[in-house]
Amino acid sequence: KAGVTQTPRYLIKTRGQQVTLSCSPISGHRSVSWYQQTPGQGLQFLFEYFSETQRNKGNFPGRFSGRQFSNSRSEMNVSTLELGDSALYLCASSLSEGAETQYFGPGTRLLVL
Amino acid sequence: QKEVEQDPGPLSVPEGAIVSLNCTYSNSAFQYFMWYRQYSRKGPELLMYTYSSGNKEDGRFTAQVDKSSKYISLFIRDSQPSDSATYLCAMSAAPGGNNRKLIWGLGTSLAVNP
Repeated sequence: KAGVTQTPRYLIKTRGQQVTLSCSPISGHRSVSWYQQTPGQGLQFLFEYFSETQRNKGNFPGRFSGRQFSNSRSEMNVSTLELGDSALYLCASSLSEGAETQYFGPGTRLLVL
Repeated sequence: QKEVEQDPGPLSVPEGAIVSLNCTYSNSAFQYFMWYRQYSRKGPELLMYTYSSGNKEDGRFTAQVDKSSKYISLFIRDSQPSDSATYLCAMSAAPGGNNRKLIWGLGTSLAVNP
């Protein structure tokens, strides 16, 4: 069974631009969560989607948004990029909302110049 | 002070050594404890999941929770070069799966040398 895929794997943007990252969960998984990982802050939860609805949201500004499609694929968008948004963005999928085990993708490494 | 503290290392050991990785925490409400392994250029993968205090063993890996000391450990026996990775602890007061309430350590980088 194919794992979680994320595209693109690497991205370079400049301040003020916006970016869209994509995540395809494991087949049959309906819950998708997004995380930001930085050396200083570690993993921080962004949001979780299940059945196309945002179920949980972390403490990030409104510039960070996401959505989930009917096929469970998810996208996250960051508008008006700041230097501090440079990070590894990880997507994780699980069978259902609240499932104990989540499977992470390889991440998208975003560099904001 | 962070809710979860984890020594970033790096920790370097010879092949076959017993490795001890640790996290301390301040929130006494934490009851669910996890260890993840993250290889370079990969996402984290769940290694161990424990509830409350006690030990849990899975092959060469043993997870230990001491709630009285607010301290959790992951032991790796007969360490292999393939164990070289960053190990992240994560914990929560809520049942597993509530990702919003999951608090992560920064990770410990481990290198096992042949």
